[in-house]
Amino acid sequence: QKEVEQDPGPLSVPEGAIVSLNCTYSNSAFQYFMWYRQYSRKGPELLMYTYSSGNKEDGRFTAQVDKSSKYISLFIRDSQPSDSATYLCGGMVQGAQKLVFGQGTRLTINP
Amino acid sequence: GAGVSQSPSNKVTEKGKDVELRCDPISGHTALYWYRQSLGQGLEFLIYFQGNSAPDKSGLPSDRFSAERTGGSVSTLTIQRTQQEDSAVYLCASSLGDTTNQPQHFGDGTRLSIL
Repeated sequence: QKEVEQDPGPLSVPEGAIVSLNCTYSNSAFQYFMWYRQYSRKGPELLMYTYSSGNKEDGRFTAQVDKSSKYISLFIRDSQPSDSATYLCGGMVQGAQKLVFGQGTRLTINP
Repeated sequence: GAGVSQSPSNKVTEKGKDVELRCDPISGHTALYWYRQSLGQGLEFLIYFQGNSAPDKSGLPSDRFSAERTGGSVSTLTIQRTQQEDSAVYLCASSLGDTTNQPQHFGDGTRLSIL
């Protein structure tokens, strides 16, 4: 079993919809959680970086962490075609430097 | 540009050859990481450098893989006697490193193809 599980999709939604992307993890020592966006043939771009449980909002993006259920979510409001990309979730243990990623979810926003 | 720079962007080589991949981190970032991204395996940690400390090599898949970081800045990942299963995108990231668990910022990677 992978430490971070993520549905690879693909996920296709119409423009303007609210998108929900989710991951589960098994390592209870994870304290830091992140979401990256990756366009084709580009490197991962950091979207959200959170510590422990709770919500964090940045523009149209909201990240949620529920450590009791080991569940990570990313919500995208008013989705745009430019949001079409692969989204990677990840976790990191306090004091460690290794990011552990999920497989990534491929998202397409249809105009 | 102010981001992580990697070269070459693409590399095609024959099985058995050695390859060197280069990473230039963001200026002022003291921590540097190498990851590998391949179909079916996702993004995997390879090695981590922080300042003058001994690197964390726990993710290197075999002794054919090595990396060095000269002068605390540029890093080179070397793969000796390449195999077809080494085909992947090799990504470099850097972070501030002044404290642990800083956000990591990635380059666009080197796409390595072994014929």
